[in-house]
Amino acid sequence: QKEVEQDPGPLSVPEGAIVSLNCTYSNSAFQYFMWYRQYSRKGPELLMYTYSSGNKEDGRFTAQVDKSSKYISLFIRDSQPSDSATYLCAMRGSGGGADGLTFGKGTHLIIQP
Amino acid sequence: NAGVTQTPKFQVLKTGQSMTLQCAQDMNHEYMSWYRQDPGMGLRLIHYSVGAGITDQGEVPNGYNVSRSTTEDFPLRLLSAAPSQTSVYFCASSIGRYNSPLHFGNGTRLTVT
Repeated sequence: QKEVEQDPGPLSVPEGAIVSLNCTYSNSAFQYFMWYRQYSRKGPELLMYTYSSGNKEDGRFTAQVDKSSKYISLFIRDSQPSDSATYLCAMRGSGGGADGLTFGKGTHLIIQP
Repeated sequence: NAGVTQTPKFQVLKTGQSMTLQCAQDMNHEYMSWYRQDPGMGLRLIHYSVGAGITDQGEVPNGYNVSRSTTEDFPLRLLSAAPSQTSVYFCASSIGRYNSPLHFGNGTRLTVT
């Protein structure tokens, strides 16, 4: 079983819809969870950074962590065509550094105007 | 603020040739790392450095060398390129190894024929 599973998509939704992106993981030691957005031919950029379980909101973006289910989500409200990108989840344990990050393979999201 | 700068953006090599991928950051970050991104494989860590003069291997270090003589620069060397090294290479940096998010460059697209 892979450590981090992420549906590659593509996920295509109409403009204005609520988008739900998800990752599941198997390592119960993961404590820090991140979401990165990657536009075509660009590097990943950090969207959300959360610790342990719970929700975190930033503008139209909400990150949710359910450690009991080993499941994390990123919700995008009022989706825009500019949100079209690949979204990567990443996670690591409490004792691990940036070198211990495990990335999902990314979900390709398309927002149709 | 330039952030993480990678050069060149594109490169084509013949098998057996050598080259250096350059990475520089102007944020005074102590931690720097190199990833490769391949379709279906996600981001994989090649080498990392926690400060000038200190480097260590990541998940896929074979065929690559690094050095860190200054805080700002972290070049990646391919000594004898192989077709298996065809990939997109990303350099990333963060303030420290722990509890700080990674900032990525925009990548170098390398093709080895």
